[in-house]
Amino acid sequence: GAGVSQSPSNKVTEKGKDVELRCDPISGHTALYWYRQSLGQGLEFLIYFQGNSAPDKSGLPSDRFSAERTGGSVSTLTIQRTQQEDSAVYLCASSLWRFAEQFFGPGTRLTVL
Amino acid sequence: ELKVEQNPLFLSMQEGKNYTIYCNYSTTSDRLYWYRQDPGKSLESLFVLLSNGAVKQEGRLMASLDTKARLSTLHITAAVHDLSATYFCAVGVSGGGADGLTFGKGTHLIIQP
Repeated sequence: GAGVSQSPSNKVTEKGKDVELRCDPISGHTALYWYRQSLGQGLEFLIYFQGNSAPDKSGLPSDRFSAERTGGSVSTLTIQRTQQEDSAVYLCASSLWRFAEQFFGPGTRLTVL
Repeated sequence: ELKVEQNPLFLSMQEGKNYTIYCNYSTTSDRLYWYRQDPGKSLESLFVLLSNGAVKQEGRLMASLDTKARLSTLHITAAVHDLSATYFCAVGVSGGGADGLTFGKGTHLIIQP
């Protein structure tokens, strides 16, 4: 079956612009996670959704970052007023239930100029 | 704060040899995962270890978990070039609002003919 999909695969933006990153989880997976991967910081957890609610936002690095999930499916990660340090690969993962195995999407490579 | 340490971070080995990657973590956990990442690709799930003493094997890879020692190992038997990749361990802590995985820095494995 289809895996986790993310769009766009690459995004180049100018400092100060807003960006939206999209994640389509595996059908039927109730849990959805956002991570980011950068050379300097490695893999970092950002936010977790169970259904449409986000009980754990502990990893969001600043209030410029927000995320939502609608219909228990698609999720959007929004970064406002992007900064160069936001440049990273943003990975989405989904799992069947809260503590189950997480399956990762291909990622969105964000470059902030 | 949960810390996950992998070692070595870089490993160059010859085909046919055996080696072990270690993953230590700092707090009690009931979930440990191993992932593989090829250059420019996303994370591929290898093993899920959920209990003390758990051992799983797939081909030339075997993973084990000792929750008392807070240690997991990934053993490579008779390495082949196709196993060249970066391997990550990730630890989950159930409850307490910490639902994301905490990753090690990864072990960059190169297997030479």
